[in-house]
Amino acid sequence: GAGVSQTPSNKVTEKGKYVELRCDPISGHTALYWYRQSLGQGPEFLIYFQGTGAADDSGLPNDRFFAVRPEGSVSTLKIQRTERGDSAVYLCASSLIGGSPHEQFFGPGTRLTVL
Amino acid sequence: TQLLEQSPQFLSIQEGENLTVYCNSSSVFSSLQWYRQEPGEGPVLLVTVVTGGEVKKLKRLTFQFGDARKDSSLHITAAQPGDTGLYLCAGISGGSYIPTFGRGTSLIVHP
Repeated sequence: GAGVSQTPSNKVTEKGKYVELRCDPISGHTALYWYRQSLGQGPEFLIYFQGTGAADDSGLPNDRFFAVRPEGSVSTLKIQRTERGDSAVYLCASSLIGGSPHEQFFGPGTRLTVL
Repeated sequence: TQLLEQSPQFLSIQEGENLTVYCNSSSVFSSLQWYRQEPGEGPVLLVTVVTGGEVKKLKRLTFQFGDARKDSSLHITAAQPGDTGLYLCAGISGGSYIPTFGRGTSLIVHP
């Protein structure tokens, strides 16, 4: 079956612009996670959805970052007024049920470059 | 702040050699996971260890969880070029089951 997909695979933008990153989880997975991976670092947790609601958004660095999952499937990570420090690979993962030991399956990521 | 320290950061070896990578923390975790990540891909879960002192084997890979559940090691026997990748450990604490990742060990196995 299809895995987690993310679009675009690469995004180059200018400082101050707005970007949207999309994640399509594995069908039937109720939990969805966003992570950010900077160069030379491991993934850093941003936000976790269980269904349509954000169950834990404690990893969002500031109010320029926002994510939605309106129908409990596809999710969009939105970044306003991008800064050079936002450059990273943004990873999405899904699992069957959140708050459980069910395995998270990761997508290939979106590489964001802010010039 | 990285709660998990991985060592070495980089490792370059020849095919057939054995190696061990380490994951250390001052924090206690309810479980610890190991992932492998290849360039342009997301991490893929290799194993989850739950019990202090637990040893799990996955073909040529042996994973151990420390008795105090603060550290772990990954040993690879007779490394192959297909083992090349970034090995990440991740600790899980509390009920959220959200992993906290280390920086990873970048392994290159030369044919």
